[in-house]
Amino acid sequence: SQELEQSPQSLIVQEGKNLTINCTSSKTLYGLYWYKQKYGEGLIFLMMLQKGGEEKSHEKITAKLDEKKQQSSLHITASQPSHAGIYLCGADGNNAGNMLTFGGGTRLMVKP
Amino acid sequence: KAGVTQTPRYLIKTRGQQVTLSCSPISGHRSVSWYQQTPGQGLQFLFEYFSETQRNKGNFPGRFSGRQFSNSRSEMNVSTLELGDSALYLCASSFGGISGELFFGDGSRLTVL
Repeated sequence: SQELEQSPQSLIVQEGKNLTINCTSSKTLYGLYWYKQKYGEGLIFLMMLQKGGEEKSHEKITAKLDEKKQQSSLHITASQPSHAGIYLCGADGNNAGNMLTFGGGTRLMVKP
Repeated sequence: KAGVTQTPRYLIKTRGQQVTLSCSPISGHRSVSWYQQTPGQGLQFLFEYFSETQRNKGNFPGRFSGRQFSNSRSEMNVSTLELGDSALYLCASSFGGISGELFFGDGSRLTVL
């Protein structure tokens, strides 16, 4: 079965600093999804990457997919307290889009 | 547009009991997936229903079951509860295609004593 490893597991940054979260898959990635979760709540979809080399941005968050390395990175520029939460990467286990395997998550705290 | 609604939000049960959780998807969505989230195992896929049929199933024992009704609402049931079943159970809905964009509810937090 596919496994996703995220690093770091937790991160504390000063407001305004940039940061990067990595997600590495044990198998070929058909699709890589990034979600954000606030404690005790559901997940909010951020971005989906499907092609090697693909890069997407939304506001100050950019995600890239390196298909050869079976890896994705999520980069936040000029972090804000509103960016705090748990970031999870998910992979499409059967190329059907509805059965996702998730990484262990990265807990981000942003100090004002 | 109403989001995914899960009920109840919190519940406490004792070992050996059973529990039923409910999920109302976004209007028009035909796929409902269930996930279990625990501190130790993280977020794990339970099963997915599409048009009242189970389309995908994760690696959970038979004590975990689910169903979907004609209006796309879904329920999951856990029988003979164990302490390890304490978790946040998340439901997600989608149109059912391969876009991967799942819309999650806020979950049902189950505590088993």
